[in-house]
Amino acid sequence: GESVGLHLPTLSVQEGDNSIINCAYSNSASDYFIWYKQESGKGPQFIIDIRSNMDKRQGQRVTVLLNKTVKHLSLQIAATQPGDSAVYFCAFRPSGSRLTFGEGTQLTVNP
Amino acid sequence: EAQVTQNPRYLITVTGKKLTVTCSQNMNHEYMSWYRQDPGLGLRQIYYSMNVEVTDKGDVPEGYKVSRKEKRNFPLILESPSPNQTSLYFCASSPDGTGSDEQYFGPGTRLTVT
Repeated sequence: GESVGLHLPTLSVQEGDNSIINCAYSNSASDYFIWYKQESGKGPQFIIDIRSNMDKRQGQRVTVLLNKTVKHLSLQIAATQPGDSAVYFCAFRPSGSRLTFGEGTQLTVNP
Repeated sequence: EAQVTQNPRYLITVTGKKLTVTCSQNMNHEYMSWYRQDPGLGLRQIYYSMNVEVTDKGDVPEGYKVSRKEKRNFPLILESPSPNQTSLYFCASSPDGTGSDEQYFGPGTRLTVT
């Protein structure tokens, strides 16, 4: 498959463990945040989003946490599976502007 | 199936030979955009379009052209490709005309310019 990045931060976890992937954003006026998953050879795929009036949002096996004080966003994946291996990156929207994308983190799940 | 399609998926070409990468979406989305993805640089926007016949430069527009004659299509044109345009390209669309909400991505086009 395609390599989407050769110099990405990496996270390696054991199957069944929980994963936490972090993202720092620069613009304090950002009001909308998205996490994307990009598998090798594929385009980015939406996972979950959160608006700035919330601190936490849960989906299926995933939770996004937003800390506006320190401009930090995290994605928690419960009971990580081999199929979760991918590059994960955040996107944020400064109010009234277009989405800005972070660089990403390579998650590797070891069986 | 709702999707964004790109063609070709892989392309190897030589410097200066004009090429077009097509992008089409079947979701009646207002907004379409082209990105390039390079190691260590993440996704960078090339051009975007908020509606038919409306296109604007993104962060790295040099060496590229686009057109939006129909709502569903947004081709990326490289008039005279150069090796520094070797990259992985993604087309994306969004229902919101400003592109500020969730974007749906195509599968990518790997371009190599020799």
